[in-house]
Amino acid sequence: ETGVTQTPRHLVMGMTNKKSLKCEQHLGHNAMYWYKQSAKKPLELMFVYSLEERVENNSVPSRFSPECPNSSHLFLHLHTLQPEDSALYLCASSQDLQGAGNTIYFGEGSWLTVV
Amino acid sequence: AQKVTQAQTEISVVEKEDVTLDCVYETRDTTYYLFWYKQPPSGELVFLIRRNSFDEQNEISGRYSWNFQKSTSSFNFTITASQVVDSAVYFCALSEALRKTSYDKVIFGPGTSLSVIP
Repeated sequence: ETGVTQTPRHLVMGMTNKKSLKCEQHLGHNAMYWYKQSAKKPLELMFVYSLEERVENNSVPSRFSPECPNSSHLFLHLHTLQPEDSALYLCASSQDLQGAGNTIYFGEGSWLTVV
Repeated sequence: AQKVTQAQTEISVVEKEDVTLDCVYETRDTTYYLFWYKQPPSGELVFLIRRNSFDEQNEISGRYSWNFQKSTSSFNFTITASQVVDSAVYFCALSEALRKTSYDKVIFGPGTSLSVIP
């Protein structure tokens, strides 16, 4: 059983839809991340939250809106996406505050298809 | 700037063969961390190993072994007697120890896709 769980695992949405991806970590970590993995492209870091505060936003379009209500939960709200946003979205967490070089643990990912 | 190179894009081996996945990194830091992750077709990145720059001892875990050579900035991963379940994409990654950001910034390589043929 993974320490980071993501729902839904698969999502198909139209370009005018609003949907959300949910992530929950059971590891007691302080930092949570959203990564995007597109076909034939490297992993892209989208957002980082440390103690529920956003500390990184890598020039992500506003149609992606993250939310971190507490240190265990992370959401990615999706609105008016484009077909090129179709990808695997990976949530991850790490201990963060206990020094650098912490291992980042990933969830199983949410496969998103925008039609 | 930090960089991770995995020159092998795709590798195919026949079951029971040994296979080595190469990883070369660049960093100006003297203290850093290296990682390997496995991504099976299901999508999850599974953590395999974390190694700090001061520990150059090779590590063995079952059929997996890692060779860390600081002199050549390489951290290669070998699977002995490969099995079909080893088919996956493998990522090498680098993390700085003296953080310049307020979080763990990890640089991932592009990945090597391994196919083990029965």
